[in-house]
Amino acid sequence: ETGVTQTPRHLVMGMTNKKSLKCEQHLGHNAMYWYKQSAKKPLELMFVYNFKEQTENNSVPSRFSPECPNSSHLFLHLHTLQPEDSALYLCASSQEGQGGQPQHFGDGTRLSIL
Amino acid sequence: GQNIDQPTEMTATEGAIVQINCTYQTSGFNGLFWYQQHAGEAPTFLSYNVLDGLEEKGRFSSFLSRSKGYSYLLLKELQMKDSASYLCAVSDSNYQLIWGAGTKLIIKP
Repeated sequence: ETGVTQTPRHLVMGMTNKKSLKCEQHLGHNAMYWYKQSAKKPLELMFVYNFKEQTENNSVPSRFSPECPNSSHLFLHLHTLQPEDSALYLCASSQEGQGGQPQHFGDGTRLSIL
Repeated sequence: GQNIDQPTEMTATEGAIVQINCTYQTSGFNGLFWYQQHAGEAPTFLSYNVLDGLEEKGRFSSFLSRSKGYSYLLLKELQMKDSASYLCAVSDSNYQLIWGAGTKLIIKP
């Protein structure tokens, strides 16, 4: 139990579907992150939220749309995805403003695009 | 550009010692993290180094040389449960984590 919960754990969707990934953290952290993890590649940072405000968007295609209603919840809305978007999507949280604070990760959502 | 290099895969024997290396080139440096990730699970934090030298935590130790852009993770008395991927990540000048691709460690009996 890492204190970060992601749902669903697995998701299969067609390219025309709309779905959402959910992340909830119970650690009292003020920063939350979305990462994409593909086989044998480094973690790719997608979005960062600090105190509910988006501070990073690393050139992510608009078919991925994040939402952070409060500092404990983070969503990733998916629409018209492509086969190359199949990957593990990881959510993480941390306490910003304090150097050296590690990020805590959820178990991820394994996404498969048909 | 920013770059983190670590071996793709390593194999070691149960009970032995293994050293996983990580070299980095980043714009700024605010510390280096090591994470462990078992297949199908979340990456979990192992260690953080910001000053040169060795940090020891039980069977795991992590070393940093900032002048050489180099770190290693040392695992002693290997157990089968240590089979996992080990991820090296550097916090850059903007406190963003730059990640390596991970080293898959296979432990044989």
